[in-house]
Amino acid sequence: DQQVKQNSPSLSVQEGRISILNCDYTNSMFDYFLWYKKYPAEGPTFLISISSIKDKNEDGRFTVFLNKSAKHLSLHIVPSQPGDSAVYFCAASAYLEGGKLIFGQGTELSVKP
Amino acid sequence: EPEVTQTPSHQVTQMGQEVILRCVPISNHLYFYWYRQILGQKVEFLVSFYNNEISEKSEIFDDQFSVERPDGSNFTLKIRSTKLEDSAMYFCASSKGTVARLAKNIQYFGAGTRLSVL
Repeated sequence: DQQVKQNSPSLSVQEGRISILNCDYTNSMFDYFLWYKKYPAEGPTFLISISSIKDKNEDGRFTVFLNKSAKHLSLHIVPSQPGDSAVYFCAASAYLEGGKLIFGQGTELSVKP
Repeated sequence: EPEVTQTPSHQVTQMGQEVILRCVPISNHLYFYWYRQILGQKVEFLVSFYNNEISEKSEIFDDQFSVERPDGSNFTLKIRSTKLEDSAMYFCASSKGTVARLAKNIQYFGAGTRLSVL
């Protein structure tokens, strides 16, 4: 079951530069998309979300872009900071399918000073 | 800031034993969830719970699993007879709920319980 895919297992970025994390999905019923950040030995922490009626949502250094026709979303972090180093999970839900979250495999972001 | 709390943080058990994982969701939330993550794999949905009953469950959530909200604050996951393949991180999550299509359903997660079945 690969409804949500994050094809890059890892990403390394220099401090101050932009980090771009990508996510693809296949289920056209998904109507809400979320990004979670996870540190080792902790649970996923909600970062930012977007509903399918929008194509962009911004919160401080974090922006999520949604391209529905391509079934693709991305998370931009600008500027990247060493404290952003973590595993980032993309997740999607469909209200008509009960609202459960379907997660991608995660991308480990490393921001180097 | 309100948070989801899970106990214990680590549970070691022998195969065939029963375990109960406990969660205290955020107090004004109405929807409760259990997910698990086997080492090196995705976070997977197990079950959702609303209005004192299961609203959805995955194929993983077989007869060995059960959930309960025994009082106004706790939400538990019971595994009746643990198997080696039940070893995983188990995450509890809660959300305010989905009141309309496209409404926000932000789920907040606890720190997880690491279950080790020997």
